[in-house]
Amino acid sequence: DAEITQSPRHKITETGRQVTLACHQTWNHNNMFWYRQDLGHGLRLIHYSYGVHDTNKGEVSDGYSVSRSNTEDLPLTLESAASSQTSVYFCASSESLGGVITGELFFGEGSRLTVL
Amino acid sequence: AQSVAQPEDQVNVAEGNPLTVKCTYSVSGNPYLFWYVQYPNRGLQFLLKYITGDNLVKGSYGFEAEFNKSQTSFHLKKPSALVSDSALYFCAMNYGGSQGNLIFGKGTKLSVKP
Repeated sequence: DAEITQSPRHKITETGRQVTLACHQTWNHNNMFWYRQDLGHGLRLIHYSYGVHDTNKGEVSDGYSVSRSNTEDLPLTLESAASSQTSVYFCASSESLGGVITGELFFGEGSRLTVL
Repeated sequence: AQSVAQPEDQVNVAEGNPLTVKCTYSVSGNPYLFWYVQYPNRGLQFLLKYITGDNLVKGSYGFEAEFNKSQTSFHLKKPSALVSDSALYFCAMNYGGSQGNLIFGKGTKLSVKP
């Protein structure tokens, strides 16, 4: 069965360190997204990609970067982790029609990041 | 500006009673609307969507939602709640803008008591 997997599921790091969260999907979807989930804020979009070599900033992109070298993977990098980036991170993928998402997003199980 | 609002942080329902989780939206064009559910320590799962057509949409696990354009609402409903329905519910909207991405509400925690 097709799926979307995230790793690591849990990560504790120190302020200033670089952290990369992996996301791998086997749906062969063009669209991939990274969200962070925080109490009181719901889900907020960090970065997204509509295809290989395409990346775009979302609502809360400062301090994060992504790269898309193939269809399956969209790793999220925190260049210099800050305590404000302690959160649960979700990767998602979807199909689209003419650039407009009309179908469901498929979410990974989440990566809980703690920055001390 | 485009936005999605879930006015209730928490909804409490007794098992067997009907439930409603509210969602309102603000958009200049025609929205595509979605409901997702999140169980503890899990990712979000798709429940249902409204794209066009019949205003009453049926989805997974016996849930349904009614699109009301005049009230700009898309409330999630179920005739008879189960304890296992207890979870966090998110309303989301794609307004077909240039980015084509989903805007999520802040979520409503549904608690169903036996």
